[in-house]
Amino acid sequence: SQTIHQWPATLVQPVGSPLSLECTVEGTSNPNLYWYRQAAGRGLQLLFYSVGIGQISSEVPQNLSASRPQDRQFILSSKKLLLSDSGFYLCAWSGTGEEAFFGQGTRLTVV
Amino acid sequence: RKEVEQDPGPFNVPEGATVAFNCTYSNSASQSFFWYRQDCRKEPKLLMSVYSSGNEDGRFTAQLNRASQYISLLIRDSKLSDSATYLCVARNQGGKLIFGQGTELSVKP
Repeated sequence: SQTIHQWPATLVQPVGSPLSLECTVEGTSNPNLYWYRQAAGRGLQLLFYSVGIGQISSEVPQNLSASRPQDRQFILSSKKLLLSDSGFYLCAWSGTGEEAFFGQGTRLTVV
Repeated sequence: RKEVEQDPGPFNVPEGATVAFNCTYSNSASQSFFWYRQDCRKEPKLLMSVYSSGNEDGRFTAQLNRASQYISLLIRDSKLSDSATYLCVARNQGGKLIFGQGTELSVKP
């Protein structure tokens, strides 16, 4: 069966520090991969979408970047965090034409 | 205009009530639709897919009206455990899954 791993679960980082969140999927090949962010009390905002290695669509201009170095690995990064980067970051995968399955999320607080 | 829109609520209902959530989408090329449930501080989990003919899963019924670009979720005989945020989702022709902002449901004893 397919599983998705996302870590860490919580993170507190100072303003201006770098960020790296990792997500890996097991049990499937060539998944579509997503990074979403959810601000407190708000909906899910699609940040990045990937259909394959090195193929990444950026949805919102911002302080973040994403990479997909391997088929089932998706990394969210920032060189310098801002206070506004705080939120709940969720990685998800889907097959073609199918629903998405989420990791447990990373709650990031920038202080 | 947001691509997927929902009434944020909150909906406060007594146990046993029937409650309906509505959702509209702006991209007429959207191909498939889902309802997700999100508990507080947790990741969203798939509740059910939405099919053109309408579909039912126990107390939950989902319907899609492509002409009106409208999706609904009906919950019958509400339970306390149904309290959560319900997210409407549309998959567009590029494969991206776009979420509505969610509708909060609180079921009271």
